[in-house]
Amino acid sequence: DARVTQTPRHKVTEMGQEVTMRCQPILGHNTVFWYRQTMMQGLELLAYFRNRAPLDDSGMPKDRFSAEMPDATLATLKIQPSEPRDSAVYFCASGLWGGGTDTQYFGPGTRLTVL
Amino acid sequence: GDSVTQMEGPVTLSEEAFLTINCTYTATGYPSLFWYVQYPGEGLQLLLKATKADDKGSNKGFEATYRKETTSFHLEKGSVQVSDSAVYFCALTSFGNEKLTFGTGTRLTIIP
Repeated sequence: DARVTQTPRHKVTEMGQEVTMRCQPILGHNTVFWYRQTMMQGLELLAYFRNRAPLDDSGMPKDRFSAEMPDATLATLKIQPSEPRDSAVYFCASGLWGGGTDTQYFGPGTRLTVL
Repeated sequence: GDSVTQMEGPVTLSEEAFLTINCTYTATGYPSLFWYVQYPGEGLQLLLKATKADDKGSNKGFEATYRKETTSFHLEKGSVQVSDSAVYFCALTSFGNEKLTFGTGTRLTIIP
């Protein structure tokens, strides 16, 4: 049963520290999404990639957030420096576009707490 | 732009009750429609989907029918269980656009 995996599952850090979240998409999927979920804002799309190239990162605060795909099996979301308002659950999702399907499969999320 | 409007929660029902969670949408073209479910402490899971008008998606006793004339995709289940307690999200993707547009989510609690 193929799944999206995310690490770490939980992260507590202090304001100003760098945070890196990792995602392993489902093997063979060509599109990777990063979402943030908070009580106030709900689910927000931060960025997404197709074949490792960034397609849209307009949802991401550019000054402190960065997203990359070093290879097809790894996507990273980095926050530097972190702030308390970044506390949220961050989800990665992957999907296969161009193959007649349009479904996104979500990972379990990284719960980030910035003190 | 695309948007999804979901029934406000929270919704509390007794076990074996009939469930309806309303969802309406605005989209250009012919969207694909989805229901995702999020159990406590977990990520979103695809519950069901429909890709064209009059299609019915179904899974785990849940059903939703793509109604183009009313731009709706209401979620129904005939007899809910305690294990159905979760947050339910209606969502869509427009043709040629892989980005999901989500509703705000509806928290469902089933009491024994």
